[in-house]
Amino acid sequence: DIQMTQSPASLSASLGETVTIECRASEDIYNGLAWYQQKPGKSPQLLIYNANSLHTGVPSRFSGSGSGTQYSLKINSLQSEDVASYFCQQYYDYWTFGGGTKLELK
Amino acid sequence: QVQLEESGPGLMQPSETLSLTCTVSGFSLTSNGVGWVRQPLGKGLVWMGTIWAGGSTNYNSAVQSRLSISRDTSKSQVFLKMNSLQPEDTGTYYCARHADRGYYGYNYYYVMDAWGQGASVTVSS
Repeated sequence: DIQMTQSPASLSASLGETVTIECRASEDIYNGLAWYQQKPGKSPQLLIYNANSLHTGVPSRFSGSGSGTQYSLKINSLQSEDVASYFCQQYYDYWTFGGGTKLELK
Repeated sequence: QVQLEESGPGLMQPSETLSLTCTVSGFSLTSNGVGWVRQPLGKGLVWMGTIWAGGSTNYNSAVQSRLSISRDTSKSQVFLKMNSLQPEDTGTYYCARHADRGYYGYNYYYVMDAWGQGASVTVSS
């Protein structure tokens, strides 16, 4: 099974700041990676797929990059509505999720 | 628009069988697969299984012996049944639509692009 290691587990940032969340796969997943945002009490929402493609309706301040086993999600100009947990997910071989990153405002 | 809605009992006893229903609209079960994902309270997400547009299924090996996923295409419903429930099965259960996003080699890429609101299940005596 492919394991996904996400970091950091929690993150505190100020409005307008740029934040980056990392995800490492236990083997090459050939860009089969998605990022999801989950607000408290809500279901996950797709942000990025195929490592760097923006899902329909997602603000352009979100971007994804990476290849091989290393991937990252960047949020430019942090907004208050971005406070949430973020999960990476590989879908190269079935589906496994990272442990999540809880993003809070400083 | 695409919608998924989970329904089922909120409280279960250990050793019982869980039955959940996912009712979908805005797409056809013969065009997209639907997967189930579990999330223990305050924890991460775990894929449990998927039923594909053609009716075949895949299961997470960790729950495969206890899990069954089926569907009724005429009613646009997907069903999850899991037996021998234990307290560690407590959590929120989501159904999600699989969307085709290309392939690499022999691996086809299916991302979960729409999710239901989740069904909370507590297993306790």
